Amino acid sequence: EAGVAQSPRYKIIEKRQSVAFWCNPISGHATLYWYQQILGQGPKLLIQFQNNGVVDDSQLPKDRFSAERLKGVDSTLKIQPAKLEDSAVYLCASSLEWDSRSKNIQYFGAGTRLSVL
Amino acid sequence: TQLLEQSPQFLSIQEGENLTVYCNSSSVFSSLQWYRQEPGEGPVLLVTVVTGGEVKKLKRLTFQFGDARKDSSLHITAAQPGDTGLYLCARGSTLGRLYFGRGTQLTVWP
Repeated sequence: EAGVAQSPRYKIIEKRQSVAFWCNPISGHATLYWYQQILGQGPKLLIQFQNNGVVDDSQLPKDRFSAERLKGVDSTLKIQPAKLEDSAVYLCASSLEWDSRSKNIQYFGAGTRLSVL
Repeated sequence: TQLLEQSPQFLSIQEGENLTVYCNSSSVFSSLQWYRQEPGEGPVLLVTVVTGGEVKKLKRLTFQFGDARKDSSLHITAAQPGDTGLYLCARGSTLGRLYFGRGTQLTVWP
């Protein structure tokens, strides 16, 4: 079974430029998550999708970050314009379907490492 | 604000030594997960603990959930270089999102 695919693996941009990340979840997984992991910290949720609908985007800096999952499968996360503090690893994760009774097992991609200069 | 406090933040040991890392919270949680993250990779789930006082073993790794369900520990026996990585604890929420601690960065030297 293929895992969560993310691209690119690395990206270096200058501040105020735009950048986009792509994620393809495990086939059949209805729930998709984007996390930001700053060096020395644990991952922090940015946005959660259930199929093509947003479940939780309370921690997404909406003035510069946007995300979509139009067909309920793959997803893109965009930053425009980027700031120095956006340097981090952006992780995508997916799970079968969120259920309050389930153990909510999330499978993570390898991430995209973003450096903003 | 970190809802989960992990300690120590860094741990560097020799192969063959034993170690314990901790995950603490002031809140009660219904379940807790432990992940390991290797350099350049995403976190990989090791175990989920649900019941207070529960102990789970995964080869040389022993996970314990506190009786009050506010803390958890991970003990590694006879550590090996392949155990090197960032160990993260995480708790779930009613909407499914995970809240992670800062992690313990473990380095095991041959």
